[in-house]
Amino acid sequence: GAVVSQHPSRVICKSGTSVKIECRSLDFQATTMFWYRQFPKQSLMLMATSNEGSKATYEQGVEKDKFLINHASLTLSTLTVTSAHPEDSSFYICSAREAGEQFFGPGTRLTVL
Amino acid sequence: QKEVEQNSGPLSVPEGAIASLNCTYSDRVSQSFFWYRQYSGKSPELIMSIYSNGDKEDGRFTAQLNKASQYVSLLIRDSQPSDSATYLCAVKKGSNYQLIWGAGTKLIIKP
Repeated sequence: GAVVSQHPSRVICKSGTSVKIECRSLDFQATTMFWYRQFPKQSLMLMATSNEGSKATYEQGVEKDKFLINHASLTLSTLTVTSAHPEDSSFYICSAREAGEQFFGPGTRLTVL
Repeated sequence: QKEVEQNSGPLSVPEGAIASLNCTYSDRVSQSFFWYRQYSGKSPELIMSIYSNGDKEDGRFTAQLNKASQYVSLLIRDSQPSDSATYLCAVKKGSNYQLIWGAGTKLIIKP
């Protein structure tokens, strides 16, 4: 299957700081990428759909000014968590669409102190 | 009614037996269905996709789709302890390829 990378894999930051997470499709071009969040023992929650060259579409209840998404190229999408707070601590996972299927990155575990 | 439903389990199966995981969906016009495996603390990994009624086999895995009954299942033959994971059923929604996710079934393979 297609390969998707994410960086960093783990990040610890202080409350009030911003954190940027990168998602890259390594061996294919992805016009559409998705950002998910998963809390412990819970299911995946779609945060937003990112289309290359256009604004992201956010799911209901997800603050677009807090979770900034940029999909500037066909292989890179970024998620910036602005002014992070402890309740933002979670497992953030991106996926990229290739030939009608979604392939996931390894995820980023964010801990906000 | 949830759009995609799975029994949360855990489903316990002895090593070497067949594990059967089930999923039902509510949108009758759905056309694309996926099974993902997620190990604890890891991201989901695509195992199978299925688009047509019937069976689709890939190694020890068989996906079964019955659109009339709005039912999709995953069979794992010769179950191994390494198959122990949460199995997520997903259904494609819309033209942007968003997926509607089931809550997942936790599978435990007992040695």
